[in-house]
Amino acid sequence: QSALTQPASVSGSPGQSITISCTGTSSDVGGYNYVSWYQQHPGKAPKLMIYEVSNRPSGVPDRFSGSKSGNTASLTISGLQAEDEADYYCSSYTSSSTLGEVFGGGTKLTVL
Amino acid sequence: QVQLVQSGAEVKKPGASVKVSCKASGYTFTSYGISWVRQAPGQGLEWMGWISAYNGNTNYAQKLQGRVTMTTDTSTSTAYMELRSLRSDDTAVYYCARAMGIMENAFDIWGQGTMVTVSS
Repeated sequence: QSALTQPASVSGSPGQSITISCTGTSSDVGGYNYVSWYQQHPGKAPKLMIYEVSNRPSGVPDRFSGSKSGNTASLTISGLQAEDEADYYCSSYTSSSTLGEVFGGGTKLTVL
Repeated sequence: QVQLVQSGAEVKKPGASVKVSCKASGYTFTSYGISWVRQAPGQGLEWMGWISAYNGNTNYAQKLQGRVTMTTDTSTSTAYMELRSLRSDDTAVYYCARAMGIMENAFDIWGQGTMVTVSS
């Protein structure tokens, strides 16, 4: 069981917008602005898409945006494209007993 | 270019140890930490721990405490992860990743992954 809760799957049509949620607790998502999002295509290493809740690394399209409210962080992808189909993982710094980093269970995005 | 290159696949018997290397290039090695993340077949990502390439300080995931050791060799810009007393559920792809950001908890450069198979 993952420390952060994500929906198992989401889907959308090309051009649409989708949002993936990531729910934690006050010891991780809710307590710190240190949430990241990763995109992973099959057989590939993950790619950082968002860090510190809403910052985009250089080279990541501005179609990807992040936000947070309370214990839930969200990744929004606007103008969906076929190449966005992938698994997405959130992660957060945690001050719980693990004291480090925790990941969500991952969300499979299907572009219809 | 900035990259992390990991050592090759390993097959180990239960109870054995494995040591995976991760060679950095294209950036100042001691300016960033290195985290290790693993992914069991068909499963999600699991953070294993972090090491400062600057001073060697470490922080390990609680469930791996006592079985994992992370080290660095600044002379070769290489990070290492050793996992001992291997079990079948340690079978996974092991990734090293450059740790950046205020808390060094965002992983912006990843190695290609090393498959470790534990089987008798």
